[in-house]
Amino acid sequence: ELKVEQNPLFLSMQEGKNYTIYCNYSTTSDRLYWYRQDPGKSLESLFVLLSNGAVKQEGRLMASLDTKARLSTLHITAAVHDLSATYFCAVAVISSGSARQLTFGSGTQLTVLP
Amino acid sequence: NAGVTQTPKFRVLKTGQSMTLLCAQDMNHEYMYWYRQDPGMGLRLIHYSVGEGTTAKGEVPDGYNVSRLKKQNFLLGLESAAPSQTSVYFCASSAWTGSMNTEAFFGQGTRLTVV
Repeated sequence: ELKVEQNPLFLSMQEGKNYTIYCNYSTTSDRLYWYRQDPGKSLESLFVLLSNGAVKQEGRLMASLDTKARLSTLHITAAVHDLSATYFCAVAVISSGSARQLTFGSGTQLTVLP
Repeated sequence: NAGVTQTPKFRVLKTGQSMTLLCAQDMNHEYMYWYRQDPGMGLRLIHYSVGEGTTAKGEVPDGYNVSRLKKQNFLLGLESAAPSQTSVYFCASSAWTGSMNTEAFFGQGTRLTVV
């Protein structure tokens, strides 16, 4: 059974600081996704990481994937209040035949303080 | 551009009542998914479908049934609602192109309370 673990689950940080969210998963996968969710809202896709060593950046967020270590990171640079949200990683695995399922981590609730 | 649309957005049910949640997507995606989201547990997969007329069980399928009679629609049914099914339900869809798979696009969610 695939397990996807994120840490930390809760993160409170000052504006302007840097921090990293970690996503570990327990089985082989060649693609990983990061999503953002604002309170009471749906999930918004941030990054799709498709291969080992993939790195993607958008604004103050940078995501990377190490498939050998089964680890993805989401790095936050010089945090601003607008980044306050819950961040999920999700791992795609092949279930039956070639069907793919997405399994989510528990989420990291990020609060950026002024 | 509607994307993924869920109906209804909110619902309160009494224990034992039944209901159907509707998910519609206009992106011609093959894959559709139903998840439930509970505090501190992320999203858990209930059922999914890889194409019209096909369905499969996910991580937490008990107490739910699904149907995919048309490619654009994926229905989630609760035959006899229980308080443990109080949750926020999300539908998602994704494409399937050869060996690649895009990310899943999510609906706005349905907040269901069973009393």
